Amino acid sequence: SQQGEEDPQALSIQEGENATMNCSYKTSINNLQWYRQNSGRGLVHLILIRSNEREKHSGRLRVTLDTSKKSSSLLITASRAADTASYFCATDAFQGAQKLVFGQGTRLTINP
Amino acid sequence: KAGVTQTPRYLIKTRGQQVTLSCSPISGHRSVSWYQQTPGQGLQFLFEYFSETQRNKGNFPGRFSGRQFSNSRSEMNVSTLELGDSALYLCASSFRDTNRETQYFGPGTRLLVL
Repeated sequence: SQQGEEDPQALSIQEGENATMNCSYKTSINNLQWYRQNSGRGLVHLILIRSNEREKHSGRLRVTLDTSKKSSSLLITASRAADTASYFCATDAFQGAQKLVFGQGTRLTINP
Repeated sequence: KAGVTQTPRYLIKTRGQQVTLSCSPISGHRSVSWYQQTPGQGLQFLFEYFSETQRNKGNFPGRFSGRQFSNSRSEMNVSTLELGDSALYLCASSFRDTNRETQYFGPGTRLLVL
């Protein structure tokens, strides 16, 4: 079962523009993570935000978390062609279990 | 440090066969989790090991099994392969067994069942 739902499923923008992806989840969480995947390869961890945090930055990435709405957003500023990938949010939905529950992902395409 | 490594990277099998995939975690990491990724179901949790013990298991049939060795390396085995087992199998490692840590993923093993 999917805990997170990303929106939109696909996003295509011009290089230099900002890209925003959203994630909604269903149950209480301890943290939420965002991952990137290039063309069916392994996942690369981008950022982890804990349930008591509201916003976190890492380079060109900005993640927000609204636990009252059970939602998170990932903003990539000044996009580059190399940002073309699928982006997944993942939550730790189970106490004591080292398990991530992933959404279906957003396919981001950056056009040169 | 070297990242998570998975072998083999690609595998072709036929229905009914069995397959064993291997995962070597980042040095010092003791927790290893396995995930299956398919276009239809997305990324789904298979199981998680910590200190050679399976701590949690996802909703997969008993044909899917795994184990972890004393050096934290892990293997997963799928017996009696079905066409629907074709997928990218990813393993991830982390230092501790809590759910508050980043998991680091390997490149995956792409399995094709014919």
